[in-house]
Amino acid sequence: AQSVTQLGSHVSVSEGALVLLRCNYSSSVPPYLFWYVQYPNQGLQLLLKYTTGATLVKGINGFEAEFKKSETSFHLTKPSAHMSDAAEYFCAVSERGNNDMRFGAGTRLTVKP
Amino acid sequence: GAVVSQHPSRVICKSGTSVKIECRSLDFQATTMFWYRQFPKKSLMLMATSNEGSKATYEQGVEKDKFLINHASLTLSTLTVTSAHPEDSSFYICSARGLTNTGELFFGEGSRLTVL
Repeated sequence: AQSVTQLGSHVSVSEGALVLLRCNYSSSVPPYLFWYVQYPNQGLQLLLKYTTGATLVKGINGFEAEFKKSETSFHLTKPSAHMSDAAEYFCAVSERGNNDMRFGAGTRLTVKP
Repeated sequence: GAVVSQHPSRVICKSGTSVKIECRSLDFQATTMFWYRQFPKKSLMLMATSNEGSKATYEQGVEKDKFLINHASLTLSTLTVTSAHPEDSSFYICSARGLTNTGELFFGEGSRLTVL
């Protein structure tokens, strides 16, 4: 079965600094990969996804992620953090044709003024 | 498009009572819906997978008699927490997958259950 590991339960950056949230996955078949953001007491909102094609995917709010098969990674980046980016971020994986989606433990992003 | 709505967003109940949470796909048909439970500052734990017109598939360790799931139509799934106890207090989130499987799940806003 597929699984996801997010390195770092808490990341703190200064406003304007680079954001890097790490995600590694395990999957026996080509994966679909996702990043979701969750604000307090809310559901999850999709930031971006990789299914096929271009390995660098761009999402909402200036985020992007690159699928690296050789490293089994799908790290999330944003060149310049904004205060409104403070939230919980979840990486998720599903195997193609599989109904199931598995989530990482989440990374809480704090943005300092 | 692809909006999923959960109701209620917050519910407080007494121990021993049952609570029903609804999950609706507002602008698409959802063949499959998923129910998650999220503990404070924790990730989402998949509880069960619900397919329209059939019995839900529960994850290991989830009591099916405790957490009743019904998926009676392509736009509605319900989770009923029966005989609720304080340890059932949690944030419950549903998600749905559309008829065209792009792999993506669309999430509801979540329902916070507090059992006194």
